[in-house]
Amino acid sequence: DAGVIQSPRHEVTEMGQEVTLRCKPISGHNSLFWYRQTMMRGLELLIYFNNNVPIDDSGMPEDRFSAKMPNASFSTLKIQPSEPRDSAVYFCASTTSGFGVQYFGPGTRLTVL
Amino acid sequence: ELKVEQNPLFLSMQEGKNYTIYCNYSTTSDRLYWYRQDPGKSLESLFVLLSNGAVKQEGRLMASLDTKARLSTLHITAAVHDLSATYFCAANSGGGADGLTFGKGTHLIIQP
Repeated sequence: DAGVIQSPRHEVTEMGQEVTLRCKPISGHNSLFWYRQTMMRGLELLIYFNNNVPIDDSGMPEDRFSAKMPNASFSTLKIQPSEPRDSAVYFCASTTSGFGVQYFGPGTRLTVL
Repeated sequence: ELKVEQNPLFLSMQEGKNYTIYCNYSTTSDRLYWYRQDPGKSLESLFVLLSNGAVKQEGRLMASLDTKARLSTLHITAAVHDLSATYFCAANSGGGADGLTFGKGTHLIIQP
C-alpha cells in the first residue's frame, strides 16, 4: 500500500495568497484527519471526516481555513488568505473506524512570508 | 476537554540505561497511542493500548496503560542511539475513529 499521500510536500507563499493542501487517504480507510504541528502549539487536530462527512471542525482556527472531502479518496485543506502565523507542518492521517490507529502522511511544510 | 501531559519533555541519556516516559490524561479515554517522530519526518505508530492493564512490547520499548490512574508509561530498556527521537502519547475521548489529542512530546537523545 502506498500509505497516505500529501501534496505538495513544501509550499512557500506570500501573505494574502490562497493555499490548497491535498491528501489521499489509504484505500479502504473511511476516516480522515487534518493536523497542524508548530513548535509553539505542538500537534493540533484541525478537522476530521467520517465517510466523507465533516464531524468536528472545532479545531479550525479561523474562517480563513476550510476543508472538503468530495469523495473517499481525496481531501483538501484551503487557507484563504494566508498569514505568516499559518506557517507550520500540516499532516493528514487516515484510519478505519473502530480500530483507531491513525496512519500519518509525510506532511506539507507551509511557509507564509 | 481532554488534556494530555507528558514528562519529561526532554531527556538525555546514555546508551545501555533504562528510563520511563510518563503520560497522564485528564478525562476518560478508551484508548491510548504512542507515536515516534524523527526530525523532519512524519509520525510513526508504535503502540495502541486498548484496555486497563494492557502491556505491549516491541524490541527495547514497552508501553503500559492504567486507566484508573489515567496514566500510560513508555519504558526504554538498555537504550541504543537509534532510539533517539521525539515520542508522543495521544488519547481520544470518543469511541471509534475520533480525533487525537497529543501530548507535547518527549525529545529523547541517547548518547554513546
